[in-house]
Amino acid sequence: ETGVTQSPTHLIKTRGQQVTLRCSSQSGHNTVSWYQQALGQGPQFIFQYYREEENGRGNFPPRFSGLQFPNYSSELNVNALELDDSALYLCASSRREDAFTGELFFGEGSRLTVL
Amino acid sequence: AQKVTQAQTEISVVEKEDVTLDCVYETRDTTYYLFWYKQPPSGELVFLIRRNSFDEQNEISGRYSWNFQKSTSSFNFTITASQVVDSAVYFCALSEKPSNDMRFGAGTRLTVKP
Repeated sequence: ETGVTQSPTHLIKTRGQQVTLRCSSQSGHNTVSWYQQALGQGPQFIFQYYREEENGRGNFPPRFSGLQFPNYSSELNVNALELDDSALYLCASSRREDAFTGELFFGEGSRLTVL
Repeated sequence: AQKVTQAQTEISVVEKEDVTLDCVYETRDTTYYLFWYKQPPSGELVFLIRRNSFDEQNEISGRYSWNFQKSTSSFNFTITASQVVDSAVYFCALSEKPSNDMRFGAGTRLTVKP
């Protein structure tokens, strides 16, 4: 186990609703990245947070937003949910000082279903 | 733009067979990083290996080995004497900015039958 925990593990929403997903990073890690993994696809980078600020963003619209807290935990918020937002959302933590190793520690994900 | 292609969608082998998972990448940078991750049914991605673009040495770790060839832009992964516990989805990934914006391939689902 990586020590990265995500909640909730599963949830169902309807189109137009909003959702908040949570992630607790591994002890000693100060950087959190979020990925979206659609069924049968590889994970796609949403954004990364370091020192409570967004530090890089993938090709996702502004209705995908995030927060990082002083204890390095993080939230992913998605507004105006669409059917295509149905996916496994993965959180990964790392140490900023290890930025050049690229080794990310992933949680088990939050599976979101949008009806 | 960076891109990772894993042409094998699914592979099925019988236990103790050797299996190679292919990965081809595209990048304009001279400095980049390549990774392999394993995703068991539980969902979390497990880090297996990292290689930077200046280190073409092949690596062996137990039953796992990796063949990095810049000339063909490939980073293939071989499992020797496969076991049922190796069954999982394997992802190859590329990063031009370490630990940021990692680009994953679509994955190869490996099934090892007893």
